[in-house]
Amino acid sequence: KQEVTQIPAALSVPEGENLVLNCSFTDSAIYNLQWFRQDPGKGLTSLLLIQSSQREQTSGRLNASLDKSSGRSTLYIAASQPGDSATYLCALPIEGADGLTFGKGTHLIIQP
Amino acid sequence: DAGVTQSPTHLIKTRGQQVTLRCSPKSGHDTVSWYQQALGQGPQFIFQYYEEEERQRGNFPDRFSGHQFPNYSSELNVNALLLGDSALYLCASSLVWENEAFFGQGTRLTVV
Repeated sequence: KQEVTQIPAALSVPEGENLVLNCSFTDSAIYNLQWFRQDPGKGLTSLLLIQSSQREQTSGRLNASLDKSSGRSTLYIAASQPGDSATYLCALPIEGADGLTFGKGTHLIIQP
Repeated sequence: DAGVTQSPTHLIKTRGQQVTLRCSPKSGHDTVSWYQQALGQGPQFIFQYYEEEERQRGNFPDRFSGHQFPNYSSELNVNALLLGDSALYLCASSLVWENEAFFGQGTRLTVV
């Protein structure tokens, strides 16, 4: 059974800092990994999807990397802004199914 | 282009009652998945529908059932509600041959 762990669980940093969020998974036989953002009480916004054949994806100030062999993905946020404050979730396909299994997320606060 | 829409946004039900949640997928998508998200947790996969049939199911009891209509919209039904069913219910849509999931804003269900 795929297990997904996100570290840290919470993070509070001043505006402008570059930061890294971590996601680790137990089964490296994945075909993609997706990062989401969730604002309090809201739905999920897709940030980046990395296919298993890719090592990284970039969108604006966000960069996500994938290392299947070590079971790890990182989400790098450059020049953080207060609007980046949210919970960030990583998700992978459930083995043998088409749904996703999620980590518990990293709750990020960017201080103005 | 309308994204994934869910209704209602909030709902309060009494223990033992039945509830129906609704989801319209993103335009062009043919697959709908449902997730339950308890406070402070990542979403948990309930089931997925494609071509009006349940494709895959997570570890949820038979009290949770669903339906997909010819226009790809979907319903989630929960019978004999328990206090523990209180959660944010999320709908996600995708294309069957792609794996990028797009989520709605969720329905907050409170069981009292």
